[in-house]
Amino acid sequence: AQSVSQHNHHVILSEAASLELGCNYSYGGTVNLFWYVQYPGQHLQLLLKYFSGDPLVKGIKGFEAEFIKSKFSFNLRKPSVQWSDTAEYFCAVSYTGGFKTIFGAGTRLFVKA
Amino acid sequence: SQTIHQWPATLVQPVGSPLSLECTVEGTSNPNLYWYRQAAGRGLQLLFYSVGIGQISSEVPQNLSASRPQDRQFILSSKKLLLSDSGFYLCAWKGEGDTQYFGPGTRLTVL
Repeated sequence: AQSVSQHNHHVILSEAASLELGCNYSYGGTVNLFWYVQYPGQHLQLLLKYFSGDPLVKGIKGFEAEFIKSKFSFNLRKPSVQWSDTAEYFCAVSYTGGFKTIFGAGTRLFVKA
Repeated sequence: SQTIHQWPATLVQPVGSPLSLECTVEGTSNPNLYWYRQAAGRGLQLLFYSVGIGQISSEVPQNLSASRPQDRQFILSSKKLLLSDSGFYLCAWKGEGDTQYFGPGTRLTVL
């Protein structure tokens, strides 16, 4: 079955630290890759996405992610986190021609001020 | 612009009682619609999706069911709730490029 694996369930960082959240997906064909974020009390929303082209994609609030096809990975990065980045982050994959999006278990990030 | 509504926002129900959660979408026609359940540490579990009126695909066998009586309405139901049905239920529609747009969710507690 298609699946998405997120490496860390809980991450605690101090402000200005660098962030990298790991995400791997199972092979199943041509993929679209996503990171979604859920800030406390807010809707789950899109942070960034990859469909094709440059494997390094940039999203809102200084986040970026790199698609490495050979590793089936789509890791999320931010060079310097802020307290306002405290949220839950979900990696997701959809396969071209399919109806479903598969989500990872999520990573709860807490940034200490 | 597109908007997605869910109600109720919170619900506390006794075990064995029925359930009906409603989701409506505005600003788009014939959307693909989805019901997810979010449980702590388990991510988003896809429960049902629908590509059109009356068309429901079930992903996980359980005591929940879904219906789509109108183009922009998606309902999640149960005849008898279990304790394990507690969770946060999210409705979503699929936009361009497979991007999912989520509603505010319903927090269900079964006691």
